Amino acid sequence: EVQLVQSGAEVKKPGESLKISCKGSGYSFTSYWIGWVRQMPGKGLEWMGIIYPGDSDTRYSPSFQGQVTISADKSISTAYLQWSSLKASDTAMYYCVRPLGQFRYFDLWGRGTLVTVSS
Amino acid sequence: DIQMTQSPSSLSASVGDRVTITCRASQGISNYLAWYQQKPGKVPKLLIYAASTLQSGVPSRFSGSGSGTDFTLTISSLQPEDVATYYCQKYNSAPPSFGGGTKVEIK
Repeated sequence: EVQLVQSGAEVKKPGESLKISCKGSGYSFTSYWIGWVRQMPGKGLEWMGIIYPGDSDTRYSPSFQGQVTISADKSISTAYLQWSSLKASDTAMYYCVRPLGQFRYFDLWGRGTLVTVSS
Repeated sequence: DIQMTQSPSSLSASVGDRVTITCRASQGISNYLAWYQQKPGKVPKLLIYAASTLQSGVPSRFSGSGSGTDFTLTISSLQPEDVATYYCQKYNSAPPSFGGGTKVEIK
């Protein structure tokens, strides 16, 4: 089965670091881009950025550039989204997605990782 | 960046009604437009891409049209299981941004 399996929910304090993961299976992981989409509580969808696991080419939305880091380990078919210093405003659901092309629509979604940042 | 504006932001309709949602791009995007459905508490699901191509498995009561700057998603006969928020997304260039969403409820 073609799927993206995300890591579990996280509860963190402001200032802490975090790395969440997304493992692709059932398809050639290095042949497709992987992206991340944020959904803040009760809000809409925001495209954060993408990575091509084949060569680690990474692109960010200007809104998220410098705020997060997207990476991938092709040896274990896993992409990551990380923060060095979380803020309360990072509280959101984060979906990993597979676009059919560099900046294309998403035909495959992970179930999401809920990140809660609270003191 | 190109802005995507959806209208209305919410609507309430009866079962069996024809429902139309509009998405407008601030600049022309040809037909590089997708629609997603997000049911309450669920993961978004791709409905339509290339403005009018139905994703496999999506019921035929859903249809999309438009090109350039103006697009529509139509549900020909609203069903209870269609209660959801619908998002358009442009993908002609970076960033592939979303509209603000349209919440569809049953009257």
